[in-house]
Amino acid sequence: SQTIHQWPATLVQPVGSPLSLECTVEGTSNPNLYWYRQAAGRGLQLLFYSVGIGQISSEVPQNLSASRPQDRQFILSSKKLLLSDSGFYLCAWRVTTADYGYTFGSGTRLTVV
Amino acid sequence: GQNIDQPTEMTATEGAIVQINCTYQTSGFNGLFWYQQHAGEAPTFLSYNVLDGLEEKGRFSSFLSRSKGYSYLLLKELQMKDSASYLCAVRGVNQAGTALIFGKGTTLSVSS
Repeated sequence: SQTIHQWPATLVQPVGSPLSLECTVEGTSNPNLYWYRQAAGRGLQLLFYSVGIGQISSEVPQNLSASRPQDRQFILSSKKLLLSDSGFYLCAWRVTTADYGYTFGSGTRLTVV
Repeated sequence: GQNIDQPTEMTATEGAIVQINCTYQTSGFNGLFWYQQHAGEAPTFLSYNVLDGLEEKGRFSSFLSRSKGYSYLLLKELQMKDSASYLCAVRGVNQAGTALIFGKGTTLSVSS
């Protein structure tokens, strides 16, 4: 079956510290992968998307970067976190067995203090 | 640019019917999606429309009018567990590729 894993579930980090969030997909190959952020009281904001290994497109210039070192692995990183980086980070992938249905991971709630 | 609008909040009572509207202006259109998101959880897929008309799935229906840039999600026989945020999202044909662009969501509160 096709599943998506995202960790950690919650994270509290000090300002200026680095960040690494990981997302992996099972049961499929060459998926389209996406990172979204949901800040308090705001909608889901697309941060990055990737259509293949090493291929990253950024939608919003900011303090974050993304990498796709393997086909089914998508990583979100920051060298120095800001308070404004706090939010709910969601990884998603496009289900390839149907023309619809983007499935989300369980999310990481990041609090920068 | 891209703009997706939906009401911020709605309230309804158990057993009632509620309609959540969504209007969009996007550079290209390749499908409209509705997601349900309970507090603190990830969104889950509800429905998808790419052609004009109504799609029905049990208690949930979604309608699309591409010429008007308009969609609605209809929830029938409301239950307390339907209290959640409902997210309208559009898949465009633009620099974001196949990514979904989301509205800010409508928080629905169902009371007994």
